[in-house]
Amino acid sequence: SQTIHQWPATLVQPVGSPLSLECTVEGTSNPNLYWYRQAAGRGLQLLFYSVGIGQISSEVPQNLSASRPQDRQFILSSKKLLLSDSGFYLCAWGKRFADTQYFGPGTRLTVL
Amino acid sequence: DQQVKQNSPSLSVQEGRISILNCDYTNSMFDYFLWYKKYPAEGPTFLISISSIKDKNEDGRFTVFLNKSAKHLSLHIVPSQPGDSAVYFCAASDGTSGTYKYIFGTGTRLKVLA
Repeated sequence: SQTIHQWPATLVQPVGSPLSLECTVEGTSNPNLYWYRQAAGRGLQLLFYSVGIGQISSEVPQNLSASRPQDRQFILSSKKLLLSDSGFYLCAWGKRFADTQYFGPGTRLTVL
Repeated sequence: DQQVKQNSPSLSVQEGRISILNCDYTNSMFDYFLWYKKYPAEGPTFLISISSIKDKNEDGRFTVFLNKSAKHLSLHIVPSQPGDSAVYFCAASDGTSGTYKYIFGTGTRLKVLA
């Protein structure tokens, strides 16, 4: 069966510090991978998606970037965090050309 | 411009009764729809999906109805149980690209009263 991992679970970072969140998927090959953010009281907003190694599409211009160095690894990064980057970050995967996405447990990021 | 709307931020239902959660969308190109359930500090859990070629899909206690002409879908939970208390999100996508970039609603918080 497929499993998706995210770490860390919670993170408190000062403004201006760098960020690296990691997501890995087990039990599947060539997945589509997605990063979402849920701000307080809001729905889930798609930030990035990837259909293969090194292939990243950005949905929202912002302070963040994403990379996919391996087939089942997806990384969300920032060089300098802003207060507005606070939120709940979720990684998701989906089979190629299939409609359902499955979410990881999420990372709660607080920028102070 | 919010393409997927869940206009009821919260809903309370008595245990054993039907819960009906609603979702409206504006983009007529959307052809796949998902419902997720989310507990605090956890990732959303997939519940049920429907494609635009259907108007109903059932899975156990969960049924999703799609009205394409009204651009409206609803999730019915029968019978409702206290464990169903969570935030429910609907999501819509234009699946033609194969990447399934979903637009999510803002969620409805369901509380099932024992």
